[in-house]
Amino acid sequence: NAGVTQTPKFQVLKTGQSMTLQCAQDMNHEYMSWYRQDPGMGLRLIHYSVGAGITDQGEVPNGYNVSRSTTEDFPLRLLSAAPSQTSVYFCASRDPGHGDTIYFGEGSWLTVV
Amino acid sequence: RKEVEQDPGPFNVPEGATVAFNCTYSNSASQSFFWYRQDCRKEPKLLMSVYSSGNEDGRFTAQLNRASQYISLLIRDSKLSDSATYLCVVTLKSSGDKLTFGTGTRLAVRP
Repeated sequence: NAGVTQTPKFQVLKTGQSMTLQCAQDMNHEYMSWYRQDPGMGLRLIHYSVGAGITDQGEVPNGYNVSRSTTEDFPLRLLSAAPSQTSVYFCASRDPGHGDTIYFGEGSWLTVV
Repeated sequence: RKEVEQDPGPFNVPEGATVAFNCTYSNSASQSFFWYRQDCRKEPKLLMSVYSSGNEDGRFTAQLNRASQYISLLIRDSKLSDSATYLCVVTLKSSGDKLTFGTGTRLAVRP
């Protein structure tokens, strides 16, 4: 049982490049989310999904796309990277019907130069 | 006013001290409350849920005060290993099960 697996752990991008952060969970959780964490601002929700085929915007969705073709996978795509997207990204999953504990991936440190 | 507010700290305490953090929330309809612990450059992990009646787990005690809209975390007999950032999390079931995180309170325990 791996929990939430997130890759890559570190990435440096040039402005304008695109990339995908991968996230997979093996707990059969319906709810998955992507957050970014910046100093002094806490965790902010980018996009979330309440089940396969269903996604919705969070607090800071601009510049990011997501898809949820399976229960297990929830990739986050940066369309055209900007320095303002330099941050730590966390994928998370949870099961609101069973305790509501949030399980986070180990994080992805992204630098856009 | 922020939906969830925490004193960022840092709280610098000696080993063995008792330390308490508060977290205030603005929406009276908030339903579930949690404390998460985040170590430097790591992901947050659940420390404990916060129940209306209060709950204790070893040296940690969590309380909920709905009337004043805050939750608290008390750590007794602080250890060096307690040094971390403590995040409070509040859920609002009526808004699509929305989770809101506080910005965290940093605790540094010194020898």
